[in-house]
Amino acid sequence: QQQVKQSPQSLIVQKGGISIINCAYENTAFDYFPWYQQFPGKGPALLIAIRPDVSEKKEGRFTISFNKSAKQFSLHIMDSQPGDSATYFCAASRSGATNKLIFGTGTLLAVQP
Amino acid sequence: EAGVTQFPSHSVIEKGQTVTLRCDPISGHDNLYWYRRVMGKEIKFLLHFVKESKQDESGMPNNRFLAERTGGTYSTLKVQPAELEDSGVYFCASSQDLTSGSPLHFGNGTRLTVT
Repeated sequence: QQQVKQSPQSLIVQKGGISIINCAYENTAFDYFPWYQQFPGKGPALLIAIRPDVSEKKEGRFTISFNKSAKQFSLHIMDSQPGDSATYFCAASRSGATNKLIFGTGTLLAVQP
Repeated sequence: EAGVTQFPSHSVIEKGQTVTLRCDPISGHDNLYWYRRVMGKEIKFLLHFVKESKQDESGMPNNRFLAERTGGTYSTLKVQPAELEDSGVYFCASSQDLTSGSPLHFGNGTRLTVT
């Protein structure tokens, strides 16, 4: 039983376009929702995170949109660049176990020049 | 600041053999985690150390896996005997404390292949 479902599995976007990755969760006890970015041969690195008390968080070209009632959250990458090509993982965790993360299956993003 | 270091980066062993993975967390990080990604699936939590104590080992697959963190510094994860389904990428991560303001820092992983 997968607690965090991520889609799509892979995504191809043209340079300058918007990349959108979606995640859905089941456990209403989750209260921390980070996104990790992973380049080949490297470990995942925290990109941006949100808590359910806000519906949106923006950092540069990266935005998380959060819909608590639908139990969904998404990552938007504006003005996508070839350097953004990587695997993106959404995750979730509960209060008191913030770094015991439940990950999605990952999205391989390719930004074409 | 040196990051989380894992050794080896790759390991290929035969079924039934033993393998030991090592992780050196960021200096001063009391919290150390092991995660695993199998066959392109999700990254799964294995266990969590606070200093030398196992805080949560609920994700350990079975008793063929043994994790230690003697002295609260580096950690080892031993698989004995290894099975085919143990193949995957094993990640170690560390954090300074348990708040969301202290994010996880991952190592580059050890890719384990059991043949």
